[in-house]
Amino acid sequence: GQNIDQPTEMTATEGAIVQINCTYQTSGFNGLFWYQQHAGEAPTFLSYNVLDGLEEKGRFSSFLSRSKGYSYLLLKELQMKDSASYLCAVRDGDYKLSFGAGTTVTVRA
Amino acid sequence: ETGVTQTPRHLVMGMTNKKSLKCEQHLGHNAMYWYKQSAKKPLELMFVYSLEERVENNSVPSRFSPECPNSSHLFLHLHTLQPEDSALYLCASSQELGAGTDTQYFGPGTRLTVL
Repeated sequence: GQNIDQPTEMTATEGAIVQINCTYQTSGFNGLFWYQQHAGEAPTFLSYNVLDGLEEKGRFSSFLSRSKGYSYLLLKELQMKDSASYLCAVRDGDYKLSFGAGTTVTVRA
Repeated sequence: ETGVTQTPRHLVMGMTNKKSLKCEQHLGHNAMYWYKQSAKKPLELMFVYSLEERVENNSVPSRFSPECPNSSHLFLHLHTLQPEDSALYLCASSQELGAGTDTQYFGPGTRLTVL
């Protein structure tokens, strides 16, 4: 089974940086995904890490340390539209994704 | 718009009703999934299909019955549900099970309320 932990809520100011941490325990790690989910909408894919290190995509970056069972999603230059839930998901084996409960990020003006 | 559509978007049903949820993907993917998302809980994987063959049945009660007639369509048939089955039901698709960077793309979900 999986155990994926991420904070429940975070608040930040427009233009600031927020880092969402995710820790996991898995028997057959095969990649870590971050999704963004606005209220009432589909989760949308943000990033994928399978090797240690940092992956950068514009304002969003994701980091992975497999030895520590740790990842973070970094959101820079926060905008109001970034207010959403961010889901950390770990793939175990070929296809099985296990999700954390999500981190609700609120961006304030 | 992720290329995965779900209908209906909202559904209210009684415990004795029978209804079906529909998912369609326009991405040319070979794998499709059903998830359940309850408030403040992680997404729970229910079923996985690859090339119309079920490869995962994650201890889901028999009152949920999936059907995958082709690789573009996935159904979830519901009967004699319980109030605790009220949740957001999400469909997803991916290119190919087991491929290294295989990524799941989600539909908008069906918000189900069981009275």
